[in-house]
Amino acid sequence: GEDVEQSLFLSVREGDSSVINCTYTDSSSTYLYWYKQEPGAGLQLLTYIFSNMDMKQDQRLTVLLNKKDKHLSLRIADTQTGDSAIYFCAGISNSGYALNFGKGTSLLVTP
Amino acid sequence: NAGVTQTPKFRVLKTGQSMTLLCAQDMNHEYMYWYRQDPGMGLRLIHYSVGEGTTAKGEVPDGYNVSRLKKQNFLLGLESAAPSQTSVYFCASSYFGTGGVHLHFGNGTRLTVT
Repeated sequence: GEDVEQSLFLSVREGDSSVINCTYTDSSSTYLYWYKQEPGAGLQLLTYIFSNMDMKQDQRLTVLLNKKDKHLSLRIADTQTGDSAIYFCAGISNSGYALNFGKGTSLLVTP
Repeated sequence: NAGVTQTPKFRVLKTGQSMTLLCAQDMNHEYMYWYRQDPGMGLRLIHYSVGEGTTAKGEVPDGYNVSRLKKQNFLLGLESAAPSQTSVYFCASSYFGTGGVHLHFGNGTRLTVT
């Protein structure tokens, strides 16, 4: 199963790019995920990447996967104040049915 | 289509009291989960279910029990609440398909045990 680690805080200016990083332990994991949590709400799936891919782009979001270093990143282009939230990376647990989440990165976007 | 609904949204318990958190989903998902979220700890899996009538332990199951009598409902019980169970509890549901497991979360229940 997947254990994931991520940095806890990131602050960027509006209009800049944000890069949130995550490392994982299990190289056999088939999928890796990014979730977003806004204040007072549950988590929402942002995007995911299959382990045989290096990159996936979805509008302002770009996911990069470095399998050699077991490193996953989420880049948000043209970051807006509405992007302020907690971002979680996740991998599939040992059971194969659930997800293991990192501790979350709090992104603060300042005007 | 409400998605995943959790009740109640807030609750305060005294040490030793019991309660049940309710989770309902209307997406016909097979899998359901209970996670707890604590500051600096991320989300930790308490219990999960892969189908009606089945349950399994997650990472932090002690002090909790669950039941999945109907496919759409997943109940989390605290028999004797402790201050260490003060947390925000999230229910989620999922199916396994293209892209693995995509969890859909409720908005959480904030529980305080005094």
